[in-house]
Order: sequence, then structure tokens, then C-alpha cells
Amino acid sequence: GAGVSQSPRYKVAKRGQDVALRCDPISGHVSLFWYQQALGQGPEFLTYFQNEAQLDKSGLPSDRFFAERPEGSVSTLKIQRTQQEDSAVYLCASSFQGALGYSEQFFGPGTRLTVL
Amino acid sequence: QQQVKQSPQSLIVQKGGISIINCAYENTAFDYFPWYQQFPGKGPALLIAIRPDVSEKKEGRFTISFNKSAKQFSLHIMDSQPGDSATYFCAASNALSSGSARQLTFGSGTQLTVLP
Repeated sequence: GAGVSQSPRYKVAKRGQDVALRCDPISGHVSLFWYQQALGQGPEFLTYFQNEAQLDKSGLPSDRFFAERPEGSVSTLKIQRTQQEDSAVYLCASSFQGALGYSEQFFGPGTRLTVL
Repeated sequence: QQQVKQSPQSLIVQKGGISIINCAYENTAFDYFPWYQQFPGKGPALLIAIRPDVSEKKEGRFTISFNKSAKQFSLHIMDSQPGDSATYFCAASNALSSGSARQLTFGSGTQLTVLP
């Protein structure tokens, strides 16, 4: 069965470049989350969508980070003017229910971003 | 502020032994406590989860013990197998104010190695 997919799986960027990371959630899943996982650490919440609405972006580390989900399915996380501290694995997760449910979050394999 | 503290950072267990991983949390509003298993190059996958209205939940070889008064919970893996070698993350979440996300707050992870 189709799970959460992310592309690209690996991205190398020079400092200052813009990058775009894509997430294809499980079909029909209402909620979509982005997390950042630094090397050797647990994932940290970045932002949350319920359908096409971005309801929580409290975890975005700076205004260089921007996420969208215009049609309520595919989501893109964009990082402008990348910095070395942006190097991490970016994980996308989706779940069936909306914000307040206990629905399991299914994670994609992540995109490993390396900023040189 | 680290809201979920996890220990140990790494754990080596003999095949057939019991693996125990501990977590402590600070936010008393947390009301859902999942454990995730992550293999290299993969996203985290839900292993087992508990809500604070019960003190223990068992699924196969995996058991969560929950102590609400101490704000602690632990994962026990019975009859550990080499295939269990992975990184384990505890997590916690709560239903925030209306419209906000039930995002997960993760511990820092435990790298488990089960020796054959």
C-alpha cells in the first residue's frame, strides 16, 4: 500500500540557495505535519496543516521557512537562503483525523538536507 | 525547553533479554504517549501508545508502563531480538487550544542494539 512519500530523498545545497521539499501524504488524510530531525536527535515539530489550512506554524525556526498545501494533499516545505544550521532530515507525517483526534501519524522516509 | 527526557541514550542487550527505555515529561497537559521505532534511512513508525487513564498496555513483546504521579513512562521489550535493533523514541502530545495541532513532542532517542 502507498504510504507517505517524500522527495527528494537527499538534497545538497550551497549556503544561500533556496530548496523545496515535497511531501505526498496518504490519500484521504486530513492532517499533515512537518518535523525537523537533527542528527542523533528526536524529530521536532515545524508546522501543521488541516486540509489546506496551515493552523500551526509555531515550530518554524525563522521566516526563511515556508510551507504550503494548496489543494489539501501534497505539501511543500521551502527554505530560503539556506544556512548550515538547516542541515537535518525533514520528516513529513500525515494522519486521518483532524487536529484533536488521537489518529496515528504515519511518517515518510524524510529528506536529508545538507547545506555546504 | 526539552519537555520529554529519554534515557538511556544507547542500550546493548543480549538476545532474549529485556530492554527497558525510560521517559519523563514535564507538561501535565500531555494526554497521549506513543513510542516510535526508527530504522536507519526510514521515518519513525508507531510501535505502541498509551493514554494516562491506564497504567500499563501490552502488545506482544512490547509493554508500556505509565506512572502519572511521577510523570514517567517506560517501554519494555521482552525477549529482545536482533531485529529489534533500532532507535526508539518516546513522544507525548496534547490537544492544544482550538484549531491547534496535536503535534508530537519527542524524546532524544535510544539506540538499541540486540546482540545475537
